[in-house]
Amino acid sequence: KAGVTQTPRYLIKTRGQQVTLSCSPISGHRSVSWYQQTPGQGLQFLFEYFSETQRNKGNFPGRFSGRQFSNSRSEMNVSTLELGDSALYLCASSLGQGAMNEQFFGPGTRLTVL
Amino acid sequence: AQSVTQLDSQVPVFEEAPVELRCNYSSSVSVYLFWYVQYPNQGLQLLLKYLSGSTLVESINGFEAEFNKSQTSFHLRKPSVHISDTAEYFCAVSGRGYNFNKFYFGSGTKLNVKP
Repeated sequence: KAGVTQTPRYLIKTRGQQVTLSCSPISGHRSVSWYQQTPGQGLQFLFEYFSETQRNKGNFPGRFSGRQFSNSRSEMNVSTLELGDSALYLCASSLGQGAMNEQFFGPGTRLTVL
Repeated sequence: AQSVTQLDSQVPVFEEAPVELRCNYSSSVSVYLFWYVQYPNQGLQLLLKYLSGSTLVESINGFEAEFNKSQTSFHLRKPSVHISDTAEYFCAVSGRGYNFNKFYFGSGTKLNVKP
C-alpha cells in the first residue's frame, strides 16, 4: 500500500506570494492533518480534515487555510507569505478520527520564503 | 490543553551504550502518549504508543517507554543503541477520548550515536 505522498517536496517563494501544498493520504484513510515544523517552534498542529470538513484548527492566522476533497486528498494554502512561514509542512493521514487511530506522516514539503 | 517538554535537545551516546530520552507532559485530561522518530529528509514514523493497559510499551526495534502518571512522564529507553538509531525523536500527547486528531509535540531530541 502506498504511503502518504506530498507534492511538491521543495518550494521556493517570495514574500507576498501565495502557495498551495498537496497531500494524498493512504488509500482508505479519511482523516488528514497538517503540521508546520520549524527549528524554533517545533511541530505545530495546523488543522485536521475528515470527510471534507475541517474538524479542528490550531492557532495559526487566517492566511493558512485548507480543504479536503471527496477522495480524501487535501490541500493547504498559505496566502501573503511571510519570511516566518519558511518551514517543513507535514501531512498525516489516519483511518478515522481520535488519537487511537495511528497517524501516518508524509515526507513533507519544504517551503522557503525569500 | 496539553503540552510536552523534552528537556534534552541533543543526546550524544556511543554505540552499544544505553540511552534515555526524557519526556514530560502536562494535561488537564487523561492522555494518550506517543514517541515518533524522524530520519533526515523524512516524515515522522510512529515508534511506540501508550493508549491503555500496561504502562510499559515496547517497539519492534528494542525501544521501550514507561507511562508514569504520578510523574507525568513517558521516557524512552534503549539498553543498547546502534548507529542506525541516529535520528530525531519526538514525544507527543493527545487527549484521551477526543473524537478528533490533535497532537501536541515536544521540541524533539536529536540522538547522535557515535561509533
